[in-house]
Amino acid sequence: NAGVTQTPKFQVLKTGQSMTLQCAQDMNHNSMYWYRQDPGMGLRLIYYSASEGTTDKGEVPNGYNVSRLNKREFSLRLESAAPSQTSVYFCASSGGDRSDQPQHFGDGTRLSIL
Amino acid sequence: GNSVTQMEGPVTLSEEAFLTINCTYTATGYPSLFWYVQYPGEGLQLLLKATKADDKGSNKGFEATYRKETTSFHLEKGSVQVSDSAVYFCALSDRAGNMLTFGGGTRLMVKP
Repeated sequence: NAGVTQTPKFQVLKTGQSMTLQCAQDMNHNSMYWYRQDPGMGLRLIYYSASEGTTDKGEVPNGYNVSRLNKREFSLRLESAAPSQTSVYFCASSGGDRSDQPQHFGDGTRLSIL
Repeated sequence: GNSVTQMEGPVTLSEEAFLTINCTYTATGYPSLFWYVQYPGEGLQLLLKATKADDKGSNKGFEATYRKETTSFHLEKGSVQVSDSAVYFCALSDRAGNMLTFGGGTRLMVKP
């Protein structure tokens, strides 16, 4: 049972480089999410996709772009990485837009920007 | 907007001690409430949830009751184990679109 799979698990970038974080889920979920986790701040939503073909901004979207490639895959792109984007990034999915449906998380991508 | 406040950690307990991690929230309407747990190097896992007032969520010996009158969802466990050492996140879900708002997390360390 793979659930939510994120690649890569670790990455080091130089300021100004670009990178795409990949996420795939095998639970046939409609909704997918990207979060960043910083010490003492919990998780903050970057972007989400309520269904295939739609994406919306979350709390902290600046500096990021997303693509919902198909129902399974939701990628996050950093066009020009900045040190402030050093963080742990989590992808999540859920079965729909009902508030009682939990989100399922991947193991995260640890990204350092020098 | 929505917000979740939980007690800062770390919380350090001896094995078999009683655990309480406080969580209070601000939200419009009637959100669903969740506790997630994060073990070192892993993603978040759902621990328990409650979807309406006075509901009690429970799992693996952990419990939390949805208290609308005090806007709280405190996590409790009667006897913690070393394996419970992790970071615990309280979260609420907005009625529209299943958007999660997280608290800052509380690190629990249990010593043998």
